[in-house]
Amino acid sequence: DAGITQSPRHKVTETGTPVTLRCHQTENHRYMYWYRQDPGHGLRLIHYSYGVKDTDKGEVSDGYSVSRSKTEDFLLTLESATSSQTSVYFCAISDSGGGSYDEQFFGPGTRLTVL
Amino acid sequence: AQSVTQPDIHITVSEGASLELRCNYSYGATPYLFWYVQSPGQGLQLLLKYFSGDTLVQGIKGFEAEFKRSQSSFNLRKPSVHWSDAAEYFCAVGKAAGNKLTFGGGTRVLVKP
Repeated sequence: DAGITQSPRHKVTETGTPVTLRCHQTENHRYMYWYRQDPGHGLRLIHYSYGVKDTDKGEVSDGYSVSRSKTEDFLLTLESATSSQTSVYFCAISDSGGGSYDEQFFGPGTRLTVL
Repeated sequence: AQSVTQPDIHITVSEGASLELRCNYSYGATPYLFWYVQSPGQGLQLLLKYFSGDTLVQGIKGFEAEFKRSQSSFNLRKPSVHWSDAAEYFCAVGKAAGNKLTFGGGTRVLVKP
């Protein structure tokens, strides 16, 4: 299995509080991604990174920000959590891009509940 | 914009019976296509992928998929399902720029004894 960990694995928080989720990889892969999974929607891309300090938005980026200061870590921040952000969040990594393609490897997920 | 449709939300199949999961995609160029499986409470595992070449792709766990460009489809099949195949299955199309994936809504497979 690809070396991807996510922390925390479960979190319950209240509306309006900031939340940071962490993804850590030991594979030295260039690309990292954050998805959210909701019933009937599959996984939707929130943000992704193509290198240290290089990030871009996905299809559902509103209300989320990301940072990548090291190759191995990709942080997802909800500045002020809302109930609509209750979801399961997955991190993924990949080693290719920019004209070629490679599979993405997924972490175990973080279940976030916003009350 | 690319999109993926999995028309069947749930499928129930008897153990030992065959399984086919449908996937239709919309993408302007040659697609990179994937099937992932998610067991309950787990992350996603790649079953198989299509980049080019032979349109019948073999994957892990006895699964195969066939790419049909004329039908914009990439259906997943297994000749004989096992109880351990009960899971949710996701089809995805990839875009080389940024290595991004667009997922379908998923099909949950239940296996009857």
